[in-house]
Amino acid sequence: AQSVTQLDSHVSVSEGTPVLLRCNYSSSYSPSLFWYVQHPNKGLQLLLKYTSAATLVKGINGFEAEFKKSETSFHLTKPSAHMSDAAEYFCVVSDRGTASKLTFGTGTRLQVTL
Amino acid sequence: KAGVTQTPRYLIKTRGQQVTLSCSPISGHRSVSWYQQTPGQGLQFLFEYFSETQRNKGNFPGRFSGRQFSNSRSEMNVSTLELGDSALYLCASSLTGVITDTQYFGPGTRLTVL
Repeated sequence: AQSVTQLDSHVSVSEGTPVLLRCNYSSSYSPSLFWYVQHPNKGLQLLLKYTSAATLVKGINGFEAEFKKSETSFHLTKPSAHMSDAAEYFCVVSDRGTASKLTFGTGTRLQVTL
Repeated sequence: KAGVTQTPRYLIKTRGQQVTLSCSPISGHRSVSWYQQTPGQGLQFLFEYFSETQRNKGNFPGRFSGRQFSNSRSEMNVSTLELGDSALYLCASSLTGVITDTQYFGPGTRLTVL
């Protein structure tokens, strides 16, 4: 069975500094991986997805992630944090061949300070 | 284009009762998935419906059931409610649910069981 592990439950950065949210995956096949963001009292929004095309994936709002098979990682980065980035971020893996059965990580709460 | 809508947004029930939650997918989307989000268990996949048929199922007891109508709207039912069923229930839709699709999430229904 596939799974994802988010290595940090909470990350705090200053506005304007880089963001790194770490995610490792486990899968018996080449996985499809996603990052979703959840702002307070709002639904989940897709930031980006990897489906075996380019290993460096660019998403919305300046976020990107790199799929590294040798390290089984899919870390999310952003060069410069903005106050509006404060939210909960989920690393997600999907069941083989479908985007409709998702397995979520435990989430990383990103705090952005002035 | 309207997003995924869920009704009601908030619901309070007592133990032993049953509840029905509704989800209207984005127009043209035929795949609808349901997820449960709790502080203790995180986000967990319940089931997916496509063309009025359950196509995928998570590891939840039979008290949790769902259905999909010909217009792709979906309902989720929980019978004999338990305190542990208190959660945010999220619905997501996609065109067909294949891996190249994007899942769009609704704002959720917050269920409180007393």
